[in-house]
Order: sequence, then structure tokens, then C-alpha cells
Amino acid sequence: NAGVTQTPKFRVLKTGQSMTLLCAQDMNHEYMYWYRQDPGMGLRLIHYSVGEGTTAKGEVPDGYNVSRLKKQNFLLGLESAAPSQTSVYFCASSGQGLYGYTFGSGTRLTVV
Amino acid sequence: GNSVTQMEGPVTLSEEAFLTINCTYTATGYPSLFWYVQYPGEGLQLLLKATKADDKGSNKGFEATYRKETTSFHLEKGSVQVSDSAVYFCARAIQGNTPLVFGKGTRLSVIA
Repeated sequence: NAGVTQTPKFRVLKTGQSMTLLCAQDMNHEYMYWYRQDPGMGLRLIHYSVGEGTTAKGEVPDGYNVSRLKKQNFLLGLESAAPSQTSVYFCASSGQGLYGYTFGSGTRLTVV
Repeated sequence: GNSVTQMEGPVTLSEEAFLTINCTYTATGYPSLFWYVQYPGEGLQLLLKATKADDKGSNKGFEATYRKETTSFHLEKGSVQVSDSAVYFCARAIQGNTPLVFGKGTRLSVIA
């Protein structure tokens, strides 16, 4: 099925460990986004990309890095995980124009 | 600044009751406005949208009208069902496909 696929779906990390979250879309969308969702905070933008090879900071970029080497993939990295990064992470993509986003089903990350 | 404010939840309604979830925005220019819905354990799905003043977005019995004079985009449904239980997010984007800014979400529970 066409859409946005996130891997993994669940992960538990120890403080200081690193990991990469993968987002893949098969809709040939130019724009891709990483959000985090926390109780009472809604969705906050971490980083985004307006095309292959580009990235930009969002509202809460500290502690995260991203890469968009291929148009269909957008990677979110945590170099040294902290308990404050415990959250649900959502990737989304969109095409040209304001047609709204397609979201992945999320990655639930717990840092202990 | 540019922000989206939603009424705080949770909202609990009986089946067939009338639903209103308030959303107001601040933004420079004329943003496009969206409502997204998140069912338990899933990512967000686009529910409806409006791109200019006085536009009415509608889908699955839900409606919202873009009110420029009151900077509002309230979500309404005449008769809710148990299956409408979810978290609803209001969002806005400035023209040019800039990243969406989301409200904090409103949890709706519909009881039979």
C-alpha cells in the first residue's frame, strides 16, 4: 500500500545510546518531516526537508540530526539518547501544494 | 507569533450528541487550515481542509468553516458516533508549503 512507513515501531534505549529512525515514502513527495508527540504538547516539528539533499531545523531540533540522501527516505538520528527524548515520533510527507500531509504510524521510543 | 490554539479536552459526549471543537489561529498572511484525526495507536489522518476565507471543509459528517474575521476554524459534527472517539488536531500552514503548525490536540470520547 502506498504511504509512509516508519521503522522500528517500538524501541527502548539506554541513556547515551544512539539510534536511527527510518522513514520511507513511495508517493514521490518532495517534502518530509519529523515530529514528536508528547502528552499535552501536541506535535512539535523536529526537522524537515524540502527535497533530496536538503534539511532544515524545526521547533525542537536539539539532540537530533537528519539526512535525506534519497528522495524517498528521511532518517532521524539520536547521537546520545536522553530520557527527555522519550516520545512518539511521527514522520510525514507531502507533495507540491497544500494538500496536507501523509503520516506514518509512529515510533514509540523510551529512553531509560 | 504563528500559533494554533484548541480547546482543551478531554471532551466526553453521548452518542448522537452535537460536537464542537474550537480552534483559533494567529498568523501573518492567509494560512490554509486543516483538521487531522488520530485514532488510538495510529498516525494522523487528514480529516478536512480549507484554503481561503469562507471556505467550508467537510468529510465524514464533520465540517469546519474558515472564518477570517474571527481567525477561527471550529470543527463541528451534528451527531457523533462511538467510532468518532479519537484525538483531533487543528493545524495551519502559510502559503508556500511551509511546515504545518499543530494545536495541542483535543481528545474526544463518545459513549454509547
